Amino acid sequence: ETGVTQTPRHLVMGMTNKKSLKCEQHLGHNAMYWYKQSAKKPLELMFVYSLEERVENNSVPSRFSPECPNSSHLFLHLHTLQPEDSALYLCASSPQPGLQGYGYTFGSGTRLTVV
Amino acid sequence: KQEVTQIPAALSVPEGENLVLNCSFTDSAIYNLQWFRQDPGKGLTSLLLIQSSQREQTSGRLNASLDKSSGRSTLYIAASQPGDSATYLCAVRDDKIIFGKGTRLHILP
Repeated sequence: ETGVTQTPRHLVMGMTNKKSLKCEQHLGHNAMYWYKQSAKKPLELMFVYSLEERVENNSVPSRFSPECPNSSHLFLHLHTLQPEDSALYLCASSPQPGLQGYGYTFGSGTRLTVV
Repeated sequence: KQEVTQIPAALSVPEGENLVLNCSFTDSAIYNLQWFRQDPGKGLTSLLLIQSSQREQTSGRLNASLDKSSGRSTLYIAASQPGDSATYLCAVRDDKIIFGKGTRLHILP
């Protein structure tokens, strides 16, 4: 484990289902991120939270709803997804975004399949 | 707009060889550059982080260099092993972290 834990590791859901992805870090980081990784595409940043406040939302459809209840936990709530949303969803954390000298720590990801 | 390119997209080399992976970026105003490894279907593992003021970083058989002025970084892997087979991702950080598409490396036993 890298210090960032994601659950579940795999998820299959129907287009009408509602599910949530969970990310947890105990590295003392203040920033957390959701990324989407689709086949043959670069990693796409979805959301950024700094000190539990959303600071960036990269034009992500409203069927993805993030929640950051505290600096250690990040959720991605999913509802009425489309098959093209099938991808690997990665969570990452770092010291505050303002500390540019620091790198990112990633979780192992959740492999999502929408049927 | 920052763009990160990794060449080649895929590489196969026999075990034991030394190899170099390349990463280029279009805007040299970066804070740092990070190399990651990703095994199939898994998350990213950070390998090396180079600050903009640094020229290289080393960890075991890995050496990463950074030439900020020319917008280039290389990841050198010495004495490659089958366990090195993975996708290697380069990411630069300016206001955001921008990833390349990766190089898929296969080490032939």
